[in-house]
Amino acid sequence: GAGVSQSPSNKVTEKGKDVELRCDPISGHTALYWYRQRLGQGLEFLIYFQGNSAPDKSGLPSDRFSAERTGESVSTLTIQRTQQEDSAVYLCASSPGLAASYNEQFFGPGTRLTVL
Amino acid sequence: QKEVEQDPGPLSVPEGAIVSLNCTYSNSAFQYFMWYRQYSRKGPELLMYTYSSGNKEDGRFTAQVDKSSKYISLFIRDSQPSDSATYLCAMSPNNAGNMLTFGGGTRLMVKP
Repeated sequence: GAGVSQSPSNKVTEKGKDVELRCDPISGHTALYWYRQRLGQGLEFLIYFQGNSAPDKSGLPSDRFSAERTGESVSTLTIQRTQQEDSAVYLCASSPGLAASYNEQFFGPGTRLTVL
Repeated sequence: QKEVEQDPGPLSVPEGAIVSLNCTYSNSAFQYFMWYRQYSRKGPELLMYTYSSGNKEDGRFTAQVDKSSKYISLFIRDSQPSDSATYLCAMSPNNAGNMLTFGGGTRLMVKP
């Protein structure tokens, strides 16, 4: 079956511009996560959605970052007024959101963002 | 100090070798431990998922957790060139939807 998909796969933007990154989770997965991975580093948690509950935004690094999710489907991560330090791979993951499976997160291929 | 430490490598081994990858952590609340494999320019894929202390085996892969030492390991037997990737450990205090805390990853190269 289809996995997690993300678009675009690559995005080059100029400092100060806004960007929008999209994630399509696995169908039926109620939990959705965004992570950021800087070059050669591990993943940093950004935000988590579970069903209709209020999202956990505790990992967002600044108010320039925001994310939305429509029901239990597509999510969009928006970065306003991009800075060079925002350059990274942005990874989306989804999980079934059922007991004993929350930690089984399935990742998309990521969006590689380069801010010039 | 990071919550989860992992030697970045690269670790280079000959084909057929036994590989040992390790992570240490500082948060005693972590109960669930995962290993992900990430090929270049791809998203991480879940390899092993364990709860609390002990061993878990799946084919050529064995995951070990020692909570008393706050130390986890992934062993790969009969390593293959296709195992060349970055291996990330991840952990969580519960199974209720918390975000995962990742190590920085160890890059493994298996030479034919």
